[in-house]
Formats: sequence, C-alpha cells, structure tokens
Amino acid sequence: EDQVTQSPEALRLQEGESSSLNCSYTVSGLRGLFWYRQDPGKGPEFLFTLYSAGEEKEKERLKATLTKKESFLHITAPKPEDSATYLCAVQANQAGTALIFGKGTTLSVSS
Amino acid sequence: GAVVSQHPSWVICKSGTSVKIECRSLDFQATTMFWYRQFPKQSLMLMATSNEGSKATYEQGVEKDKFLINHASLTLSTLTVTSAHPEDSSFYICSATPGRNQNIQYFGAGTRLSVL
Repeated sequence: EDQVTQSPEALRLQEGESSSLNCSYTVSGLRGLFWYRQDPGKGPEFLFTLYSAGEEKEKERLKATLTKKESFLHITAPKPEDSATYLCAVQANQAGTALIFGKGTTLSVSS
Repeated sequence: GAVVSQHPSWVICKSGTSVKIECRSLDFQATTMFWYRQFPKQSLMLMATSNEGSKATYEQGVEKDKFLINHASLTLSTLTVTSAHPEDSSFYICSATPGRNQNIQYFGAGTRLSVL
C-alpha cells in the first residue's frame, strides 16, 4: 500500500535556527513527490516537485531533496513567517494524478 | 498564475439540507479537478477525481449519491453535499490540474462546513 509518513509531527525553532523536515514514502512506482505549505484554515500552497533521486530544488530559505525512500525539506535561518504546516505528497505511477498526502509537520518559528 | 478559487469559504447549515461548494480555476483551463476532505490535524484525503464532461471517479468509501460532483466546464467544478449531517462537518478542499502540466495540483482556499 502506498504510504507517506512525515516527521516530526511538530517542530519549534528559534528564528535563525536551521533544521530539516522528513518525508518517508513507500510507493509502487514514484511519479513525483510534492511539498506544499498550508496555513491554518487555508488550502495548500505548492512549493516543489521532485521526480528522481538526487534531485534538489530551492526557493528562498527552503531546499527540498529526494532519495529513493525519503525527501527532506531543509529550512535555513527560518523567520516567523515560515511558521506553517508543511505537507508532503507522492504521486504513484499506478494512481494516475492522485496525490497521497502525509499528515504534515507543523513548524513554529519564534523571534 | 495557477489560481484556484473556492466558494464559499465557510458555511453553516441545518442537518438534512444540501450545500453546494464551487471550485473555479481563474487563469487556466483545468482538465482535471480533485476534491479532498481534511479533518483537524489529519492529512488530506482524496474523495473524488473529476474530468470535464465525464462522471467523477470516487474513492473507496465515498458515497457518490451523497457527494455529488459536477464538472461542467474546464474552469468550474461543484461539490454538493446532499442531506448533510453533523458527521459531514469538515474542511473540503478542491484542486485543479492544468492540462499543460498534469503533475502539479493547485489548491483552493478550502470550505469549512459545519452541520448543526
């Protein structure tokens, strides 16, 4: 069964304190791995798509990496405005375009 | 670009009534739209996939007669929760995929449904 597990469930950081969020996945055939940001009461906002092991993508203070079993979202020198829930989702070959989401990591950055 | 609008953002209704939620792609044509449901501190669960002009494909366990989906145009899909009950209270989110890039889903802001 295709599955996505994110850890930790919650993460508290001081402003400027870098860290990483983990997304482990098992899928019959990976078509793509997606990272989204979700603010409370809002829909997910697209961040990155990764397609093959070794691929990396960056956007401001965020960098996403991908291996054959997991993905990391690295946050460098976070700011309070980075506080949100970060969702990881996979798209399996056999599932077409449907996304399978993890439960997310809720990040809180204090100044 | 790639903006998806969802309306209403919040709705309260009495048990037994029906509620319609609209999902529009504002700046692209969406060949496929998806409807998700999210409970507090839980992941998004796919309810159904709809392609313009054809019947929606529902996930296992989702009642198609209760959650009616219409995708009449390339920019509009609607979800109607029929005879709503308190257990249907949840956060409903739609997403849309542009035809030019089937992989990325762009999400609406979601609809908070509360059934009294």
